[in-house]
Amino acid sequence: QVTLRESGPALVKPTQTLTLTCTFSGFSLSANEMCVSWIRQPPGKALEWLALIDWHDDRYYNTSLKTRLTISRATSKSQVVLTMTNMDPLDTAMYFCARSIRSPNSNIWYDFDYWGQGTLVTVSS
Amino acid sequence: DIVVTQTPLSLSVTPGQPASISCKSSQSLLHSDGKTYLYWYLQKPGQSPQLLIYEASNRFSGVPDRFSGSGSGTDFTLKISRVEAEDVGIYYCMQSLQLRTFGGGTKVEIK
Repeated sequence: QVTLRESGPALVKPTQTLTLTCTFSGFSLSANEMCVSWIRQPPGKALEWLALIDWHDDRYYNTSLKTRLTISRATSKSQVVLTMTNMDPLDTAMYFCARSIRSPNSNIWYDFDYWGQGTLVTVSS
Repeated sequence: DIVVTQTPLSLSVTPGQPASISCKSSQSLLHSDGKTYLYWYLQKPGQSPQLLIYEASNRFSGVPDRFSGSGSGTDFTLKISRVEAEDVGIYYCMQSLQLRTFGGGTKVEIK
């Protein structure tokens, strides 16, 4: 059974650095064709993809936010960590992690087939 | 970056009636491998998004057959043949040809 769970602070102050952890089970990020992404959603607004890390440890970032983001993995702990620097009230959002997988048999990419429940981060002084 | 635009912003549908959502990308989503990297998700109220359609026109496991995806290149459509009460929520399209970009969402409600 695949599960993902986000954790991190509910409140951060402007200019601080946010660190979020995605703890997953039911799959291994070391397995071929497996990725984990971070996605956020400000209250009442649309989804925004932030970053992705794949089974090769290659990392990809939202072009507009890449200077502030770092994604990394702790494979032995089945965790993916996202850090975002210089937090601003506009970064207030629900932050989700989600899995992507390519089926070895069919060569189909199932992008974001499993999601965590999300963790709400509020940026306020 | 690829821009993805959804229309309409919202839709009010009588149960049993069809619904259609449009998604347009700023460049073709056809990859050299022959696949089209366009996905559809539904975010029900208070829930995380769920995958409905992958590679433009394929229903994900467990998705009812009243949902269908179509389109190619830069123009795509999600159709619900007969809307049910459980279909309310916000629908998003997303491209994954280059990084990932979501559309702005379409809110579907029941009349």
